[in-house]
Parts: sequence; structure tokens; C-alpha cells
Amino acid sequence: DGGITQSPKYLFRKEGQNVTLSCEQNLNHDAMYWYRQDPGQGLRLIYYSQIVNDFQKGDIAEGYSVSREKKESFPLTVTSAQKNPTAFYLCASSLRSGGSTDTQYFGPGTRLTVL
Amino acid sequence: AQSVAQPEDQVNVAEGNPLTVKCTYSVSGNPYLFWYVQYPNRGLQFLLKYITGDNLVKGSYGFEAEFNKSQTSFHLKKPSALVSDSALYFCAVRFGSSNTGKLIFGQGTTLQVKP
Repeated sequence: DGGITQSPKYLFRKEGQNVTLSCEQNLNHDAMYWYRQDPGQGLRLIYYSQIVNDFQKGDIAEGYSVSREKKESFPLTVTSAQKNPTAFYLCASSLRSGGSTDTQYFGPGTRLTVL
Repeated sequence: AQSVAQPEDQVNVAEGNPLTVKCTYSVSGNPYLFWYVQYPNRGLQFLLKYITGDNLVKGSYGFEAEFNKSQTSFHLKKPSALVSDSALYFCAVRFGSSNTGKLIFGQGTTLQVKP
């Protein structure tokens, strides 16, 4: 978990609200990723960014939005359009954009619960 | 389709016995393979990876994995299991031709080590 921080650790959302999950890294990594984890389904990629001011949709981007205004920060917004947002959200980073041999390092995660 | 499979949802071993957590993959081209471990309500921790070279890869906490190209497998092993090894283990693959850094994860295998 070292070098990547996520906040808050736990987040509760009411129906119809947008919420933003924070992800910060001090590893000087170019690439950053957001994953969603549900029990028994492994990790699914939401969005990724290979460089500042650029990002691409992953496999399950609907209902989510991101920004990458600074190299060290990649916040994820869960919008009201996301129908089933209750999950564990993990942020990751890797050294180089497109670095196929690079290891992804993960933050400690944020558990989002919709009330 | 390119994919990763972890055929066992759960593996049970006695402390001190050897353990194996299985992973098979289906890709075109050269695969880069990774193993991660996750403790409850925590992020993923990197254990080891195979990029090229020796098929037997050694990683953190005494774990190792063997890349077998003919069987398209990358099983995780440890000669002597500890109770503290009990956790959720993920295998992941990235393709050599990938320029996005995207990882494809297996569903995860829960390892239970009993005293």
C-alpha cells in the first residue's frame, strides 16, 4: 500500500448523490487506474490514465467519471447514474504509460455503501 | 478471448504443508503474469511476476511461481504454509503487445491455512 493513499476508507452515499473518491500517489508514476471489486468477481477496470490530462474508459465506465489534472492525483466520481455502486474501490499506479512489464501498485481501498 | 482463470474458489492446507494456488491463462502473444495477495479490507499487495527468462520466479514472503508455456499456467507455490498466509490471492495477466498497461485479473482464490 505504500506510496498510494485513498480516502476516505469508508463512504456512505444516499440514493441520487454523487460522491468523489480520492487517490493520491507519491511514486512519480505516469499511469493510474481505478478498479471496482465485488465479491467473487475479481477486479474490474473502471478508468485508467496514462498521462496527465488524458484518460480512457475501462470495462465498466458507465456511471463513473474521472479527472487527471495532476500527475499525483486521479479522483473518481461515482455519479447517481451508477445503479449499483456499493463495492470496494481500488486505485493503482504503475511507472510508465503503456509499460507492459511494469508492476501495478495498489492503494488501501475505499468501501462505498449506498444507504 | 484473452482471459485468466483461477479454477479453485478456495484452497485449504494445513500449516507446514506445501501449498499451490492454480492459475491458467488464455492469450495471444507473450504473456506477462502477476500474483497479488489481498488481506481483508486491504488493497492488493504485489507478490511476484514473470516477464521472461527462468520459468521459476521467486517473490515475497517465500512464495514462488512456475511459468509453464505449454500448459498456459502460472501456479503459485510455497513449500511450507503459514497460518498468516491465509488471504485472497489474485492472478493477473498483461499481454506483451499491450500499450495500455491494462491487467486482466482472475476471480481470486481464498487460501485457508489451518494450524
